Amino acid sequence: DQQVKQNSPSLSVQEGRISILNCDYTNSMFDYFLWYKKYPAEGPTFLISISSIKDKNEDGRFTVFLNKSAKHLSLHIVPSQPGDSAVYFCAATPPGNTPLVFGKGTRLSVIA
Amino acid sequence: GAVVSQHPSWVICKSGTSVKIECRSLDFQATTMFWYRQFPKQSLMLMATSNEGSKATYEQGVEKDKFLINHASLTLSTLTVTSAHPEDSSFYICSARPRSGMVEPQHFGDGTRLSIL
Repeated sequence: DQQVKQNSPSLSVQEGRISILNCDYTNSMFDYFLWYKKYPAEGPTFLISISSIKDKNEDGRFTVFLNKSAKHLSLHIVPSQPGDSAVYFCAATPPGNTPLVFGKGTRLSVIA
Repeated sequence: GAVVSQHPSWVICKSGTSVKIECRSLDFQATTMFWYRQFPKQSLMLMATSNEGSKATYEQGVEKDKFLINHASLTLSTLTVTSAHPEDSSFYICSARPRSGMVEPQHFGDGTRLSIL
């Protein structure tokens, strides 16, 4: 049972445009959500996170939006750059010292 | 910033060999470390949670006698794949959570690609 779902396996965006990556979750106990970026043969790198008490968190070109009623979050990257091309994983966790639950990832390709 | 070092990065060995993978937190103490496995085009699947000084907690379907985890100190956890077979070939990634127990940030190693012939 996939508790965290990223339904788009891939996304192509032109350089300078906005990239929107989506993530849905089913576990209502999740209260913290994170986005990681992963290059081939490397471990995931933390990008940005959001607590369930917020609906938006912004860090430079990256913004995460959380819609708790829809159990949906999204990562916006603007403007997109070729160096953003990677696999992006959405992750979530309930309260406490518990493991992250990951989605299957979305491969973003930013075309120059 | 905080770094997690994972070694080796790539292992190729014969079937029946046991392989040890090390995960070190370089500039912070990690009470908890996690071991993940990733198959091609799939998500990171949690194998086990490793707590310093206690037995690891394994996820359902993960054989604890096959995947031995030792969290000997606050900066080192090891995963030993015992008597590895071709079906154990995968990408193994560890992550470490700082001692504060906060969710953020959880740092990942660069992974170990294990290929069993």
